[in-house]
Amino acid sequence: AQSVAQPEDQVNVAEGNPLTVKCTYSVSGNPYLFWYVQYPNRGLQFLLKYITGDNLVKGSYGFEAEFNKSQTSFHLKKPSALVSDSALYFCAALYQKVTFGTGTKLQVIP
Amino acid sequence: NAGVTQTPKFRVLKTGQSMTLLCAQDMNHEYMYWYRQDPGMGLRLIHYSVGEGTTAKGEVPDGYNVSRLKKQNFLLGLESAAPSQTSVYFCASSYSSAPNYGYTFGSGTRLTVV
Repeated sequence: AQSVAQPEDQVNVAEGNPLTVKCTYSVSGNPYLFWYVQYPNRGLQFLLKYITGDNLVKGSYGFEAEFNKSQTSFHLKKPSALVSDSALYFCAALYQKVTFGTGTKLQVIP
Repeated sequence: NAGVTQTPKFRVLKTGQSMTLLCAQDMNHEYMYWYRQDPGMGLRLIHYSVGEGTTAKGEVPDGYNVSRLKKQNFLLGLESAAPSQTSVYFCASSYSSAPNYGYTFGSGTRLTVV
């Protein structure tokens, strides 16, 4: 069975500092990988994706993610966090079906 | 704005009552999905549809039924609500089964069953 793990329920980071939200996956094939962001009382919004090619993918709002096949990871990163980045972040893997992680709450502290 | 619209946004039901959640999309997407979101469990797929007139079960289909009579609409029904169905329900759509840009989600329906 395929699975997506987000090992941290919450990540706290000071405004202006770099942030990382971790994601690892267990899928038998070569999945598409996604990051979504969810603001309070809103649906999930697409941030970025990895399908093939360059291991570093850039997305919306200055976010980027690094794909590492040997570690089966797809960590979300941003060089300088903003208070407005505070939200719930979901990693997802698509291989025949979509599997979502359990989400990581990002809190950026002013 | 184009997208996925869910109605209602909030609802409180008594145990045993029935209700229907409506999802409408205006992007001409073939695929539509219903998820439930529970704390610590992420999103779990309830049912999905790969086109008008088709439906299929997801991970947690028990207690729910769906219909896709029109391409743009995907209805989720609860025939006899139970407290375990208290959750936030999200509808999503995509143009294919492997969309390059993921799914488009609605803003959710918060359902409480008392």
